[in-house]
Amino acid sequence: GQNIDQPTEMTATEGAIVQINCTYQTSGFNGLFWYQQHAGEAPTFLSYNVLDGLEEKGRFSSFLSRSKGYSYLLLKELQMKDSASYLCAVRDGDYKLSFGAGTTVTVRA
Amino acid sequence: ETGVTQTPRHLVMGMTNKKSLKCEQHLGHNAMYWYKQSAKKPLELMFVYNFKEQTENNSVPSRFSPECPNSSHLFLHLHTLQPEDSALYLCASSQSPDGSGNTIYFGEGSWLTVV
Repeated sequence: GQNIDQPTEMTATEGAIVQINCTYQTSGFNGLFWYQQHAGEAPTFLSYNVLDGLEEKGRFSSFLSRSKGYSYLLLKELQMKDSASYLCAVRDGDYKLSFGAGTTVTVRA
Repeated sequence: ETGVTQTPRHLVMGMTNKKSLKCEQHLGHNAMYWYKQSAKKPLELMFVYNFKEQTENNSVPSRFSPECPNSSHLFLHLHTLQPEDSALYLCASSQSPDGSGNTIYFGEGSWLTVV
């Protein structure tokens, strides 16, 4: 089976930076996704990486290293509304998408 | 609004009841999915449909029965469920089930409680 690991919880202060790491072991690789999910709401797409490097989208950036089976999501200038669960998902060689258990980020004033 | 609408948002049912969850997508996608989300666990893929045809059943018990009458609608029929089936059931859609760039769009989910 696929193995996707990310921390369970993280806490940071408003205005700070938080980095959520994701490591994966999959049979093949066809892309890595990050989703944001607020409590009681749908997961919403944040970013997609298929090549090594950094993808930047405003306050959010996502990094991928395929050789290390590693990605991170960087949240800058944290706002209270960024308090949510962040899901790492990997598409394997058969194009099946597997999710990590999610990282709950709490932003404190 | 994600373009994927699920009803009902909340459902409480007894173990002998029969109920259905409904999903509709307005994105023109061809693939639709059912996922199960339990507390502190990864999303679990249940079923995949592509152009109305089921392409994947992830060893889901027969008490869950999906139906896809067209590419825009997906149902999950529930019968004789167990308390451990209580979870958030998420419907999703994408342009196609494969292809490295395909983004999956989720509905807001149906909270199911089995009593």
